Amino acid sequence: DAKTTQPPSMDCAEGRAANLPCNHSTISGNEYVYWYRQIHSQGPQYIIHGLKNNETNEMASLIITEDRKSSTLILPHATLRDTAVYYCIVAPNTGNQFYFGTGTSLTVIP
Amino acid sequence: GAVVSQHPSWVICKSGTSVKIECRSLDFQATTMFWYRQFPKQSLMLMATSNEGSKATYEQGVEKDKFLINHASLTLSTLTVTSAHPEDSSFYICSGSGQPSYEQYFGPGTRLTVT
Repeated sequence: DAKTTQPPSMDCAEGRAANLPCNHSTISGNEYVYWYRQIHSQGPQYIIHGLKNNETNEMASLIITEDRKSSTLILPHATLRDTAVYYCIVAPNTGNQFYFGTGTSLTVIP
Repeated sequence: GAVVSQHPSWVICKSGTSVKIECRSLDFQATTMFWYRQFPKQSLMLMATSNEGSKATYEQGVEKDKFLINHASLTLSTLTVTSAHPEDSSFYICSGSGQPSYEQYFGPGTRLTVT
C-alpha cells in the first residue's frame, strides 16, 4: 500500500513556482522519497529523489522536513508542459517495489 | 536517464485470446523489472516483480496464471495476458531497475483493449 498522501489537484500560474506537498509520516529510516510525474497516457517520468537532505536538479528542487515526515517538490518556473499528475513515493534505494498513491494533478494555467 | 521501451504501444484483441507485451531496457541491464496496470483516471497499481532468471512475485489479488511474466534476460521481460476479457482492458506499464543506480525507469506503456 502507498505510504504517501497528496492533495488531489492544484493549479499554478505559468511562470510561477509550483509547490507540491507530500505527507509520508510512516517513512522508514532507509526509505528515500521519490518524485515522478505522468503526462496523460505516458509512462511515469523520474523527477528527483532524496533521503534527508534537500536536493536540486535541472527539473526541480526537493525539500524534505527534518523529521522526514513530509516533503515538497518545487518546480521553480512552471510551464504549460509541466501539466501532469505528480506522484510522491517512498521506497528503499534498492530497486524495490513502488506503491503509487493517488498523486496530485497539477494544472499550469496560462 | 535510462530508456525502457514497450511493444506494442497499443493492441486490440478479441475476448478469449492471449496477448503478449514486451518490455526492453535499451541501455542498461535491468536485474529487476516491474509490471503495473492503470485504469482510466486511476493511479498505477503494481502487478508483479520479476528478477532475471527467477519466477515473478505477484501482488495480492493478481492472478499469476492469467498474467504470465517471463524475465529471461537482463534486457527483456514479457507479460502475457491469457484468455483476455474486456475487464482486462487497461494501460500496462513496465519499469526496469538495475546497475548502477537502481532507479526505476518506466516504459511508455501499452494500451490493451479487449473486445
